[in-house]
Amino acid sequence: DQQVKQNSPSLSVQEGRISILNCDYTNSMFDYFLWYKKYPAEGPTFLISISSIKDKNEDGRFTVFLNKSAKHLSLHIVPSQPGDSAVYFCAADTSGTYKYIFGTGTRLKVLA
Amino acid sequence: EAGVAQSPRYKIIEKRQSVAFWCNPISGHATLYWYQQILGQGPKLLIQFQNNGVVDDSQLPKDRFSAERLKGVDSTLKIQPAKLEDSAVYLCASSPWGAGELFFGEGSRLTVL
Repeated sequence: DQQVKQNSPSLSVQEGRISILNCDYTNSMFDYFLWYKKYPAEGPTFLISISSIKDKNEDGRFTVFLNKSAKHLSLHIVPSQPGDSAVYFCAADTSGTYKYIFGTGTRLKVLA
Repeated sequence: EAGVAQSPRYKIIEKRQSVAFWCNPISGHATLYWYQQILGQGPKLLIQFQNNGVVDDSQLPKDRFSAERLKGVDSTLKIQPAKLEDSAVYLCASSPWGAGELFFGEGSRLTVL
């Protein structure tokens, strides 16, 4: 039972363009969502988060959008840079449990 | 501030052998997690500690996996006996209780032959 799904295993984008990574979830009890970035041979590092009381959160080049009715969130990276090439995981949590459920990841490649 | 430390980084063993992984979380972080990441999949939670108590171990295969955090600081994850399907990266993460963000270590890559 995959509660958090990232249906695109990979994505290639030209440098300077927008990267859009998508994530869907099935559990309506999830109310806190995070995005992590992972480089090879390193642990995931936190990127940005959003609470279900918001529909958008922005941090520099990174913006996360949440559509609760569709149970869908997306991460926008603008402009994309070669250093953004990594695997991106979305994760979800039910407030107070701090048990983060991760998606399967999307490998982003930003082409110079 | 020192990050989450894990060792060993790499381990190769034969099936039915045993292996142990060690994790030292960020100082002061009450919550410690062990995740298993199989190639091509997302991290899967194995066990969650709050100080030295287990909060959730529902996905830990208890017939072969065990974990402890005796003094509420560092933790050890043991697999005995190992199976081929245990080949994965074992990630340790920590966080202050009530915080939204997990801090991960670099992981321990296990190969079972």
